[in-house]
Amino acid sequence: DTGVSQDPRHKITKRGQNVTFRCDPISEHNRLYWYRQTLGQGPEFLTYFQNEAQLEKSRLLSDRFSAERPKGSFSTLEIQRTEQGDSAMYLCASSLGSMRGRLYGYTFGSGTRLTVV
Amino acid sequence: GIQVEQSPPDLILQEGANSTLRCNFSDSVNNLQWFHQNPWGQLINLFYIPSGTKQNGRLSATTVATERYSLLYISSSQTTDSGVYFCAVVAGGTSYGKLTFGQGTILTVHP
Repeated sequence: DTGVSQDPRHKITKRGQNVTFRCDPISEHNRLYWYRQTLGQGPEFLTYFQNEAQLEKSRLLSDRFSAERPKGSFSTLEIQRTEQGDSAMYLCASSLGSMRGRLYGYTFGSGTRLTVV
Repeated sequence: GIQVEQSPPDLILQEGANSTLRCNFSDSVNNLQWFHQNPWGQLINLFYIPSGTKQNGRLSATTVATERYSLLYISSSQTTDSGVYFCAVVAGGTSYGKLTFGQGTILTVHP
């Protein structure tokens, strides 16, 4: 297990279609995060899982977005009825954590670049 | 929420030059990390540095938490250092790893 894997790397879809992305975290990491990065900006937090529980969702995550992490392993991010404004890089990260807030091994995947036409 | 500002937004250097990137944050933090995003989009963790000073080869970083800033130093820059450098923090009182990123500094190193 060499890192965080994301699939697909690129996705082009027509407006109104549904898309689903997958993230496979580092196997021993119990925390998983999704971020979105638009051109020229830093990544923005979308949602966070500890094991299989989704513990926080950003206001950026509209009701067209849903994320799951069944069994606390891989995660999926689905966007329904895509809009051109959804075009962005979607990044997944995983980490271990501690009670003092120290983050161990915070690692990002290579991202999925979504283009909505 | 917490605000993170990075400067300068762009930096152009000749190979061999030194540089300093700055990150200011608006509130107390539990964590601060510096990342390098390469041209293929991969974010590489450079430093975990909520306070103090660390060095790794030609790179070093200093965070003065009481004054709410961090600095990333790059010495003897190489063309492979080109890319975007991000500072990211976890706001104080947050018990997990929700990172808030700055806008980044775009570094271009010419041969």
